[in-house]
Amino acid sequence: DVKVTQSSRYLVKRTGEKVFLECVQDMDHENMFWYRQDPGLGLRLIYFSYDVKMKEKGDIPEGYSVSREKKERFSLILESASTNQTSMYLCASSYGLALNQPQHFGDGTRLSIL
Amino acid sequence: SQQGEEDPQALSIQEGENATMNCSYKTSINNLQWYRQNSGRGLVHLILIRSNEREKHSGRLRVTLDTSKKSSSLLITASRAADTASYFCATDQAGTALIFGKGTTLSVSS
Repeated sequence: DVKVTQSSRYLVKRTGEKVFLECVQDMDHENMFWYRQDPGLGLRLIYFSYDVKMKEKGDIPEGYSVSREKKERFSLILESASTNQTSMYLCASSYGLALNQPQHFGDGTRLSIL
Repeated sequence: SQQGEEDPQALSIQEGENATMNCSYKTSINNLQWYRQNSGRGLVHLILIRSNEREKHSGRLRVTLDTSKKSSSLLITASRAADTASYFCATDQAGTALIFGKGTTLSVSS
C-alpha cells in the first residue's frame, strides 16, 4: 500500500514565523501535491511537482513556496506565516500521468497560526 | 471557478438505506474520480470513471457519468455507519491538475 506521511498532525506557530511542512511518500511516485482545505471552500491546490527540483503553481501559491530535492520528499514552506494561513494542509502523491491516476493522501497537518 | 459542485452539501440517512450524491462540472473531461474523507483524515480514492464509460461498480459503490449533462453520481447501497464521511468528486477539466469539489457530508445513523 502507498504510504504518504506528513511530519506533523497538529502544529501551532506564531505570525511571522517561517514554517516548514514535510511530506514523504514511499512508492516512488513522480507527482506530489500540496493542498489546503478550509470549511466551505473544499480542497485548493497550492503547488505541485512532476519531478525532482521541478514545481508548478496551483490556484493559491501566494505566501507559499515548495522544495523537492529528492523524489520521495516534498516540502511546503510558509515564508512568513499569517493568521489567514491557519488551515488543514494535505499532501498527496500519484504515479505517472497525474490526471488519470488516483492520488494518495497523507492524513493532513492542522496548522494554527497565532 | 472551475470547481465541481457536489449536491447535496449534506445527507443524513439510516443504516441500510441507499445514499446518492451528485457532482456537476463545467468543461469537458477525460476522467472523473470520487474520494472519501473520514473526519480528521486524508482523502481516500474510491473509483475512477473515464469519459467513454457510463457506469462503473466497485463493491457497494456505483458511479455513473453523463458527459452530455456534465454530471456524475455516486450511489452507496445498503449504507453502514462506517460510510459516514465526506465524499468528493475530482475532475481533470483544468488540464494540468485535478479540481476537487466542495464535497457532500454523509451521515449514516444506526
